[in-house]
Amino acid sequence: SQKIEQNSEALNIQEGKTATLTCNYTNYSPAYLQWYRQDPGRGPVFLLLIRENEKEKRKERLKVTFDTTLKQSLFHITASQPADSATYLCALETGANNLFFGTGTRLTVIP
Amino acid sequence: DTGVSQDPRHKITKRGQNVTFRCDPISEHNRLYWYRQTLGQGPEFLTYFQNEAQLEKSRLLSDRFSAERPKGSFSTLEIQRTEQGDSAMYLCASSSSPVEQFFGPGTRLTVL
Repeated sequence: SQKIEQNSEALNIQEGKTATLTCNYTNYSPAYLQWYRQDPGRGPVFLLLIRENEKEKRKERLKVTFDTTLKQSLFHITASQPADSATYLCALETGANNLFFGTGTRLTVIP
Repeated sequence: DTGVSQDPRHKITKRGQNVTFRCDPISEHNRLYWYRQTLGQGPEFLTYFQNEAQLEKSRLLSDRFSAERPKGSFSTLEIQRTEQGDSAMYLCASSSSPVEQFFGPGTRLTVL
């Protein structure tokens, strides 16, 4: 069965720095991978999708990379702000009609 | 607000009682999903509807759980004979394609 590991449960960085979050997966080759943001007490919000034939995708201060050989995706937030503090979830498409989520990384940006 | 809505937002019940949650998806979305999320974990898939047809069910969905989506619009998730292990956030999501799911705010269930 699929397994996803997101680098650490919690990551603290200083405002203005680049946050890098890691998503490693095993036992599957997804056609695409998604990143979601989740604030406490709320549902996840879609951020970015990257397909298996794409190396990199950008959206404003966000960048996602996808290495299907390493089975790894990296999620970067540049010029981080306290408002970026949240839990970030990596999700794989499973070939069925649902997503398989990682446990998330809780990011705190310190002013 | 045209997003996904869920009702109630919070539910406290005693063990053994039945509970029912409602999800209203974004109106033009034909796909509807239910997930369960416990503290410190990511959402876990429970079931999927395309229009009114329930096409996928996780093995997490025991016989005590049932979901419906009559007429392909809103959906309900019922848990019978609740157990303390059922305490979690129940999330509903909808989409018009296999990618990018739009999540509701969730229903937090506490079973005493």
